[in-house]
Amino acid sequence: GQNIDQPTEMTATEGAIVQINCTYQTSGFNGLFWYQQHAGEAPTFLSYNVLDGLEEKGRFSSFLSRSKGYSYLLLKELQMKDSASYLCAVRAENSGGYQKVTFGTGTKLQVIP
Amino acid sequence: NAGVTQTPKFRVLKTGQSMTLLCAQDMNHEYMYWYRQDPGMGLRLIHYSVGEGTTAKGEVPDGYNVSRLKKQNFLLGLESAAPSQTSVYFCASAGAGTGLYEQYFGPGTRLTVT
Repeated sequence: GQNIDQPTEMTATEGAIVQINCTYQTSGFNGLFWYQQHAGEAPTFLSYNVLDGLEEKGRFSSFLSRSKGYSYLLLKELQMKDSASYLCAVRAENSGGYQKVTFGTGTKLQVIP
Repeated sequence: NAGVTQTPKFRVLKTGQSMTLLCAQDMNHEYMYWYRQDPGMGLRLIHYSVGEGTTAKGEVPDGYNVSRLKKQNFLLGLESAAPSQTSVYFCASAGAGTGLYEQYFGPGTRLTVT
């Protein structure tokens, strides 16, 4: 099976930088996603990592270490609109070749003035 | 493109009633999924489909059935609703073309079973 851990809640100040961590245990690992979900809305795709290293996309960056089963999402120059839940999701290939995706419970980020 | 749409957006059922949730996508995606989201439990996969005419069980399939008769539609049925099925239901689709399989989510259906 898969086990994904991420903090339940975080608070950060507008304009600052925040790092949201995610650790996972899985077999057949085939990539890690980060999604953003505003309250009452659907999740939206932010980033994808399959190789070790840092992927940068504007104010958001995502890092992966496959050997450590660890990822983080880095949000720079925080804005009030970044207040949302951030979901870590791990993709793994099962014996039937299906790409199964399992979501963590999410980290609720509150950005304060 | 509408992306992924879900109907209805809200529904209240009494225990024992049945209903069908409809998901439609216009992106020609192969994969489609049904999730439920409950406070503190994240997104849990109910059923999924890897192509037209195929379905498979996810983590929490009991009490639900699905069908994928057309590639663009994925139906979720509750035959006899129970209060434990009160939840927000999300449909998602993913395409194999990019290799990413990132999922596109519908707006959700808020279901209350009394």
